Amino acid sequence: GENVEQHPSTLSVQEGDSAVIKCTYSDSASNYFPWYKQELGKGPQLIIDIRSNVGEKKDQRIAVTLNKTAKHFSLHITETQPEDSAVYFCAEAGGSSNTGKLIFGQGTTLQVKP
Amino acid sequence: NAGVMQNPRHLVRRRGQEARLRCSPMKGHSHVYWYRQLPEEGLKFMVYLQKENIIDESGMPKERFSAEFPKEGPSILRIQQVVRGDSAAYFCASSQTGNTEAFFGQGTRLTVV
Repeated sequence: GENVEQHPSTLSVQEGDSAVIKCTYSDSASNYFPWYKQELGKGPQLIIDIRSNVGEKKDQRIAVTLNKTAKHFSLHITETQPEDSAVYFCAEAGGSSNTGKLIFGQGTTLQVKP
Repeated sequence: NAGVMQNPRHLVRRRGQEARLRCSPMKGHSHVYWYRQLPEEGLKFMVYLQKENIIDESGMPKERFSAEFPKEGPSILRIQQVVRGDSAAYFCASSQTGNTEAFFGQGTRLTVV
């Protein structure tokens, strides 16, 4: 069935350090992998995404890597800042149902200490 | 260019009442998705709609929940005879097609008392 596992559930880093969040998925037909940032009381905000035809994508301090063979993808945040503190969700779509619906991971609460 | 608009932001209902949640997609977007987020949990897919059509409702509870996206006006998620377990944040997302980026609204936080 459709399932996304996300780790760790909480992550605390010092300002300036890097943060890495990992997700694994089960549907080999999945082809779209977005990452969302959710601040308290707000809706999820799309921060970066990757499609299955590429292995890595970078946008300033944020990068995402995808390993389709192993069915896992990761979010990398470098030079973390206090404003990066939030809950981060990975998701996948385009699987067997191919309707564009997103299957989300359980979320990672990132705390960046000044 | 306004983003996805949801209203109300907060909704309090007594057990047994009806809750109506509205979602206006981004301009140019004709695909709408509804998700539910329980406290301290991730988002769970509920339903996917295009104008006047329900495409995928595999995540909708079988009873009391319904959704529509009429030709004119916002998408509506309707919960009849609410129970305490319906208390959650309900998010709407829209996309231009069914295979492009989805953008979320700020959500409606439903509290059933």
